[in-house]
Amino acid sequence: RKEVEQDPGPFNVPEGATVAFNCTYSNSASQSFFWYRQDCRKEPKLLMSVYSSGNEDGRFTAQLNRASQYISLLIRDSKLSDSATYLCVVNFITGNQFYFGTGTSLTVIP
Amino acid sequence: EAGVTQFPSHSVIEKGQTVTLRCDPISGHDNLYWYRRVMGKEIKFLLHFVKESKQDESGMPNNRFLAERTGGTYSTLKVQPAELEDSGVYFCASSRRTTGQNEAFFGQGTRLTVV
Repeated sequence: RKEVEQDPGPFNVPEGATVAFNCTYSNSASQSFFWYRQDCRKEPKLLMSVYSSGNEDGRFTAQLNRASQYISLLIRDSKLSDSATYLCVVNFITGNQFYFGTGTSLTVIP
Repeated sequence: EAGVTQFPSHSVIEKGQTVTLRCDPISGHDNLYWYRRVMGKEIKFLLHFVKESKQDESGMPNNRFLAERTGGTYSTLKVQPAELEDSGVYFCASSRRTTGQNEAFFGQGTRLTVV
């Protein structure tokens, strides 16, 4: 079983739509959780950290469910510029290696 | 604050040759990571430095890969001799903290093509 699993998509949604991605992780003792965004042929960039209580940053909302070992990312009012690959990243032990999902591809259509 | 920088951005070498990749982490970041993404696969861990010490090198594919971080500043990753399957994008990342949320910041990557 992979350490971090994501639905690769692709997700094709119209502008203004709401879209949600989920990610599951295998290690119940995992400590840190993140969503990164990766544009084509670019490096991953931190979108947001995911906190136990859930957190929101503008149109983006991240949730953590430790009991079920999954993380979600909700994007409201999708923009064309949101088109990218979204990577779920988990740190089992803070400071040690990060585990990546394969990424979920999102295309926002005009 | 300067971000993580990697050099070169692209490298095309022949099978059997040697290539050295360089990573300059964000100043003050003790943690430095090397990752690799091969076509169609997820980003995979190679190794992790804390300052100049190798904390975890469990992801290094074989002994053709050698990473160093002398003085705890920049790091190099040497592939010798390169094989076709080494082609991919090599990312370096750095982070500051070892407790709490420990965000990693990535360099732009080195795209290595072995022909």
